[in-house]
Amino acid sequence: NAGVTQTPKFRVLKTGQSMTLLCAQDMNHEYMYWYRQDPGMGLRLIHYSVGEGTTAKGEVPDGYNVSRLKKQNFLLGLESAAPSQTSVYFCASSFGPGQGALDEQYFGPGTRLTVT
Amino acid sequence: GENVEQHPSTLSVQEGDSAVIKCTYSDSASNYFPWYKQELGKRPQLIIDIRSNVGEKKDQRIAVTLNKTAKHFSLHITETQPEDSAVYFCAASHMNRDDKIIFGKGTRLHILP
Repeated sequence: NAGVTQTPKFRVLKTGQSMTLLCAQDMNHEYMYWYRQDPGMGLRLIHYSVGEGTTAKGEVPDGYNVSRLKKQNFLLGLESAAPSQTSVYFCASSFGPGQGALDEQYFGPGTRLTVT
Repeated sequence: GENVEQHPSTLSVQEGDSAVIKCTYSDSASNYFPWYKQELGKRPQLIIDIRSNVGEKKDQRIAVTLNKTAKHFSLHITETQPEDSAVYFCAASHMNRDDKIIFGKGTRLHILP
């Protein structure tokens, strides 16, 4: 099992450019999440999905869009990148709340994005 | 919504001593409290979690305690070792409400030789 993978690992964008980050998991998890991690700010939830075809807003959704067309994939889009979106982005997945011992979130390796 | 406060932001302890990290949460309905460890340049990984029907849970050198009345929970690491140096995140969620997990801002733990 590859677990949770993210593409790309690094990216530099100019202000106003767009891009899509791809998260893939092969653990048959229902729930998938996108977080951003900034120094001193911890992990902040951007958007999440409780199943194929569903998405929901997290703590900091502005400037981002997501799609979950397939159960194993969760895409994060930046339509018009801004310097404030410079961050490390982590994807995570889990079986979902209330699954007993299966509540653990498994994180991907992260994507380091710089917007200039 | 849920808000999680974590203290301290940085903690240095001598190797072999104990370390304690404390978190408070705001939503009294939260019932699931995981702790994640993130080593430098790596992804966060779950190290221990506790549910609201339990007051304490232990796994070898790490333990977590929960005080539902005061809405705070703590991570205890005993006999600290160099490999314990990392950033630790607490989190809170209501696991039966399909709610998202809200993380604290993290504690950077340094183990001094």
